[in-house]
Amino acid sequence: GQQLNQSPQSMFIQEGEDVSMNCTSSSIFNTWLWYKQEPGEGPVLLIALYKAGELTSNGRLTAQFGITRKDSFLNISASIPSDVGIYFCAGQTGTASKLTFGTGTRLQVTL
Amino acid sequence: DADVTQTPRNRITKTGKRIMLECSQTKGHDRMYWYRQDPGLGLRLIYYSFDVKDINKGEISDGYSVSRQAQAKFSLSLESAIPNQTALYFCATRSGTRVFFGPGTRLTVL
Repeated sequence: GQQLNQSPQSMFIQEGEDVSMNCTSSSIFNTWLWYKQEPGEGPVLLIALYKAGELTSNGRLTAQFGITRKDSFLNISASIPSDVGIYFCAGQTGTASKLTFGTGTRLQVTL
Repeated sequence: DADVTQTPRNRITKTGKRIMLECSQTKGHDRMYWYRQDPGLGLRLIYYSFDVKDINKGEISDGYSVSRQAQAKFSLSLESAIPNQTALYFCATRSGTRVFFGPGTRLTVL
């Protein structure tokens, strides 16, 4: 099946720092989604991207749909303690109903 | 957003036992999904359903079965649980490209 490589696997940063993470695929996707999962909860959608080259923001979060359609990036600016969690990318091809998920990036923010 | 609930939230069972995980949603979405989450492996699709009479296997359906009893309900069964089915299980619904996850069921098979 399709593989989504997400990096880094984990990050330990100080409050106020900026964060970058990315996902790369062996296949082309038509939609990229970014989710955040907090302990004891299901993933929650942060940003959806629908077009190659698209750059979309949600507060301090910015995500981009790579030009090749095989990658996507998520940036978090000026991190705060509540940014702690696991961030997942997910990709979808065509009208297929299935999403392929990345392996997640675990973010820890220290004061 | 979809209100997706899962029961139980935690379950410990023994090898060979049959167990059912239940999912219900209140937003009228036709599409429902069961995912499994393991550390380092992300979320993997077990089964999905587009409608009450439609059931489709995902990438890791072996050892699992599902039932879509109504539009709002989608249950996952393990006919004979084994220890490597210990994982966090998520039900989800979908509207357009937006997928809404339930809070998860943590299953431990001893």
